[in-house]
Amino acid sequence: AQSVTQLGSHVSVSEGALVLLRCNYSSSVPPYLFWYVQYPNQGLQLLLKYTTGATLVKGINGFEAEFKKSETSFHLTKPSAHMSDAAEYFCAVSEGGSYIPTFGRGTSLIVHP
Amino acid sequence: DAGVIQSPRHEVTEMGQEVTLRCKPISGHDYLFWYRQTMMRGLELLIYFNNNVPIDDSGMPEDRFSAKMPNASFSTLKIQPSEPRDSAVYFCASSPPRMGFSTDTQYFGPGTRLTVL
Repeated sequence: AQSVTQLGSHVSVSEGALVLLRCNYSSSVPPYLFWYVQYPNQGLQLLLKYTTGATLVKGINGFEAEFKKSETSFHLTKPSAHMSDAAEYFCAVSEGGSYIPTFGRGTSLIVHP
Repeated sequence: DAGVIQSPRHEVTEMGQEVTLRCKPISGHDYLFWYRQTMMRGLELLIYFNNNVPIDDSGMPEDRFSAKMPNASFSTLKIQPSEPRDSAVYFCASSPPRMGFSTDTQYFGPGTRLTVL
């Protein structure tokens, strides 16, 4: 069975500071891993994804995530936060072949001026 | 492409009334998902279809909920009778056909915010 744990329901950073959102997963087979972003009153949209190959994945808006198999982690980072990054971020895992992702509970990113 | 379309965007109804939520997936996508999002429970998968056929409805909370997909471009989620605890945001999402190294990406609609008084 697959599962996702996002550490911290809220993360608060200052504008310009490093953003780090944590995600750990559990999967019995090689996973596909995703980060989605949800802006207020909108649906989720894909930020980035890992399937195979390079473990450092770059996404939209300057975000990137690194797949670390030994740590079963897929943390999301951005070097410098912008006010526009304030949103809810969801990590998801899909066992290759299942096609059905399991979503974490989400982390709300708050960016202070 | 217009993306996944959901209607209505907001629905306010009284307990006991029937509620129908609608979804038009992205053309060419053959997977369709219905989710419910609440503060308490997060994002829950209710049911998903493949080629208009329901594959897994184990997430449907109870018999008051039903979903149909009569054709590739339309799906409905019905709640009858509705209860205040059904208040949530309901999302529809679709995914393209699996081929080769399909990456299981889901494309979400804007959601329907349901309030049951």
